[in-house]
Amino acid sequence: QAGLTQPPSVSKGLGQTATLACTGNNNNVGNQGAAWLQQHQGQPPKLLSYRNYNRPSGISERFSASRSGNTASLTITGLQPEDEADYYCSAWDSSLSSWVFGGGTKLTVL
Amino acid sequence: QVQLVQSGTEVKKPGASVKISCKTSGYTFTTYYMHWVRQAPGQGLEWMGIIHPSDGSTTYEQKFQGRVTMTRDTSTGTIYMELSGLRSEDTALYYCARESNSPDYWGQGTLVTVSS
Repeated sequence: QAGLTQPPSVSKGLGQTATLACTGNNNNVGNQGAAWLQQHQGQPPKLLSYRNYNRPSGISERFSASRSGNTASLTITGLQPEDEADYYCSAWDSSLSSWVFGGGTKLTVL
Repeated sequence: QVQLVQSGTEVKKPGASVKISCKTSGYTFTTYYMHWVRQAPGQGLEWMGIIHPSDGSTTYEQKFQGRVTMTRDTSTGTIYMELSGLRSEDTALYYCARESNSPDYWGQGTLVTVSS
């Protein structure tokens, strides 16, 4: 299953800003848009954003998403200890007719 | 409120089959596609397929073609995922998730352990 590309880990300090990247291609991120999910240890994933920049109700404004070409980004401002989690991007791939996920980025808040 | 409640932990021997359920509530069952996604221990998310509860149409990830069957019961608002020919590599947490622009609501996960 061809997936999206994410860096395995990112570390930032408390109160800082983290930007997580997700690279796909014209058939997924570049065409269909990306979603971002947050997963804490032992919990199911939680949707943070969809179709590149839309935020579900109840999601903090500290989480913002964007896309440029085939790369999607998730920016988290004012990092808190509870932001320490795994973050996955995902998108529908029109050529594969399947959902694809990135390998996930583990965010550490120092 | 939207809830997806999955069936409990399963332990299976290699070669066996497993059938997991996901009971939905809090919304109109036939309106939204439903995903199945799995996560092996310490690994990332892996998409398995999708079902539309209104007509039962399915799309499976190629990797699972021939081994997976997704069905639904509109009378109870429940979807099912059956995986056959289990091997050790199928040991994972299996999630159902509702599709609304993206997988927005997720079940709690069902642990399937395949061991002789």
